[in-house]
Amino acid sequence: NAGVTQTPKFQVLKTGQSMTLQCAQDMNHNSMYWYRQDPGMGLRLIYYSASEGTTDKGEVPNGYNVSRLNKREFSLRLESAAPSQTSVYFCASRRLAGGPGGELFFGEGSRLTVL
Amino acid sequence: TQLLEQSPQFLSIQEGENLTVYCNSSSVFSSLQWYRQEPGEGPVLLVTVVTGGEVKKLKRLTFQFGDARKDSSLHITAAQPGDTGLYLCARPTGNQFYFGTGTSLTVIP
Repeated sequence: NAGVTQTPKFQVLKTGQSMTLQCAQDMNHNSMYWYRQDPGMGLRLIYYSASEGTTDKGEVPNGYNVSRLNKREFSLRLESAAPSQTSVYFCASRRLAGGPGGELFFGEGSRLTVL
Repeated sequence: TQLLEQSPQFLSIQEGENLTVYCNSSSVFSSLQWYRQEPGEGPVLLVTVVTGGEVKKLKRLTFQFGDARKDSSLHITAAQPGDTGLYLCARPTGNQFYFGTGTSLTVIP
């Protein structure tokens, strides 16, 4: 079972470079999310897509853009990377069944370093 | 905006000890979730609590939702090295999930 797959797992960028983090899920979930994780900060929501064709800002959207390419894929783009964007990025999708709010399934994370 | 405060931030204990971690907010939750994250992996859902005062047990883990639905606790009995990880509470709000700051637990054999 693949679940949520993120690529790349590791990336080093120089300030000002651009890159795209890819995420794909094979569970037929409608909603997908991008979070960043920094020490002592837990997980902070960057953007989410409640369904194919829609995207919305989360807590920390500045410096990022997203594309919901289809139901399976949700990408996160850094147009001009900054050292403050050094973080571990997690993609998640949501299963609605199983209880209020549903359940998030996460990828293994993408570790990004901006020099 | 960080709406969920977790404490303690770090906890290091010996195998066999008991521990409790907390998740607090000034807002009322409709429901609250606990996730565990192991090093190098994404978080995995442990439990969802919905009703004020609710207690759920998952083997040696006991989760409690406060009567006023503003706080929750996770109690681990006889901790084992396999319990090591980051414990995160999360609040589902519509289509969004907001996470707490996390408690990093290390259980020393």
